[in-house]
Amino acid sequence: AQSVTQLGSHVSVSEGALVLLRCNYSSSVPPYLFWYVQYPNQGLQLLLKYTSAATLVKGINGFEAEFKKSETSFHLTKPSAHMSDAAEYFCAVSEGNQGGKLIFGQGTELSVKP
Amino acid sequence: GAVVSQHPSWVICKSGTSVKIECRSLDFQATTMFWYRQFPKQSLMLMATSNEGSKATYEQGVEKDKFLINHASLTLSTLTVTSAHPEDSSFYICSARGGQPQHFGDGTRLSIL
Repeated sequence: AQSVTQLGSHVSVSEGALVLLRCNYSSSVPPYLFWYVQYPNQGLQLLLKYTSAATLVKGINGFEAEFKKSETSFHLTKPSAHMSDAAEYFCAVSEGNQGGKLIFGQGTELSVKP
Repeated sequence: GAVVSQHPSWVICKSGTSVKIECRSLDFQATTMFWYRQFPKQSLMLMATSNEGSKATYEQGVEKDKFLINHASLTLSTLTVTSAHPEDSSFYICSARGGQPQHFGDGTRLSIL
């Protein structure tokens, strides 16, 4: 069975600092991996996805993530945090294909201090 | 880009009533739609998967008779919470797939008094 673990339920950074949100996955087949962002009382917005092409994936809003098979990780980074990045972030793995059932991590709340 | 519309965004109703939530794909045909439930400060929990024209597949522990799902067309799926009680209060989110990664609606905040 597939699973996702996000290390750290809450991460706080200063504006302009590096953002690093950690995600580790477990999958018996080559995974499709996603990062989503959720603002309060809203649905999820796709930040980026890994679909077995390039291991370094660039997404929207300056975010990127690197797929490391040896570490079973898919950490999300952004070089310089902006106040508008404060939100809940979810890592997810898909069963079978990029449109299949999603298994979500527990989520990481990102706070950005002025 | 692909847009999924979810309606209503917020509903408050009395215990014992039934509530219907709609999920529409606005600019693509969604062969599959997913319904999730999210408790405060928690992750999304998949409730069921619905395919157009067939019965929904429910996740373990989700009551089929409580949460009725209908996917009558390629652009519309509905979730009906029957005889709702306060413990059904939650944030419900749908997503739609049309051959691409899922696209999510903005969710429905359901409060049962």
